[in-house]
Formats: sequence, C-alpha cells, structure tokens
Amino acid sequence: DSGVTQTPKHLITATGQRVTLRCSPRSGDLSVYWYQQSLDQGLQFLIQYYNGEERAKGNILERFSAQQFPDLHSELNLSSLELGDSALYFCASSPEAGVPGELFFGEGSRLTVL
Amino acid sequence: QQQVKQSPQSLIVQKGGISIINCAYENTAFDYFPWYQQFPGKGPALLIAIRPDVSEKKEGRFTISFNKSAKQFSLHIMDSQPGDSATYFCAASDNAGNMLTFGGGTRLMVKP
Repeated sequence: DSGVTQTPKHLITATGQRVTLRCSPRSGDLSVYWYQQSLDQGLQFLIQYYNGEERAKGNILERFSAQQFPDLHSELNLSSLELGDSALYFCASSPEAGVPGELFFGEGSRLTVL
Repeated sequence: QQQVKQSPQSLIVQKGGISIINCAYENTAFDYFPWYQQFPGKGPALLIAIRPDVSEKKEGRFTISFNKSAKQFSLHIMDSQPGDSATYFCAASDNAGNMLTFGGGTRLMVKP
C-alpha cells in the first residue's frame, strides 16, 4: 500500500459527460501528480501541484483541469468526455525531501467512456 | 514527442533466465533515471534508479547499466522469477527528479 488513495476505482460514463477523480496523497506529501495511462500511450504526465499551486504542466487537454485543496487532496476534472479519454488515471505524491524521482502512486481510477 | 523510448514492448523469459529491457533518451538535461515496476491492478512502484555519473547500479537481482555517451540505459533482471512478471517502465527526469517522463513500458512474463 503506497498510502495514496484514489476514488473512484472504476467509472463508466457516456461521451459528453463530466467526471471528477479524487486523490488523497500520502500524509505529509506536498506534491501531487496526475498521470494518464492508456494502452498505446504508456504513462503520460498531465499536471503537478505543489502545496496548492500548479508547478508543472504536461500533455493535459484543455477539457481537463485539476486543483489541489488546502488539505492537500487533489481533484482531476474531465469534461466533454470522448471515447479516447478512456484510460487509467493515476495520482502520485512525493515528499519534500524524499528520494529524487520516487513517486508514490495510487492504484488508479479506471475511466471508461461509452 | 516521446522523449524516452523503451524496448521491447513485451518479453517472455524462462525462469532463471536474464531479462533485459532497454531505454534511450533524447534530452541531455535528464539527470535521473528510475525504473518502475507495475503489477496488474496496482500503480507503478519505484524499483531502482541511477544517476548519469555512475555506469552501473546493482540491487539484488536487478542491475541498471547506463551509457551516457549513447544516451541509453538498461535494466537487467538476473535469475528471473515468475514473481517478476509485471510491466516495467523506465523514466527520466530533469529537475531534481520529481517530474518524470516515462518510457512506453515492457510487459515481462517469466515462465516457470
């Protein structure tokens, strides 16, 4: 158990809908990362937050947005969903002074868009 | 643009054999190269990592070899076991190690 909690584990929705994925980082970790894992694209970095502020942005679509709240949990909002958004969405966290490059991943939220 | 290329996509090895997974990168600013292991239904977990000032790092049956001039690094799993069956991702980062760019992954199956 990495200590990172993601909900929901599975989500099935229709095209055009909007969903919110939630992540609780490990206790004390200030950084939260969101990654998308699909069969043909591997693990794609979406966005990073550090203590409530956006720190880095990757290949995140404009239809997607995220935020980190004062209690450090984070939410990834996906809107106007398309079939191609079906994927595993991982949240990861890292401590302030941990091993460089060591991210602690949750078990993911599997999104299916029908 | 995929900045870290990983091969092969899948690999089948007999128990006791050596599993070799290769990665190549383009960004010379990368300065930290971790490998992650992912079991089905789980998130990736850090396995072993190396910095470019070292050519090899060994932890138990797992060894990373690093070739800075060729911009390549590889993971060797000695005496591969069925329990090693998982997907392996190489990765690289360029800012104190926390924003990772992952390779495409290698699905390893170790046959008993």
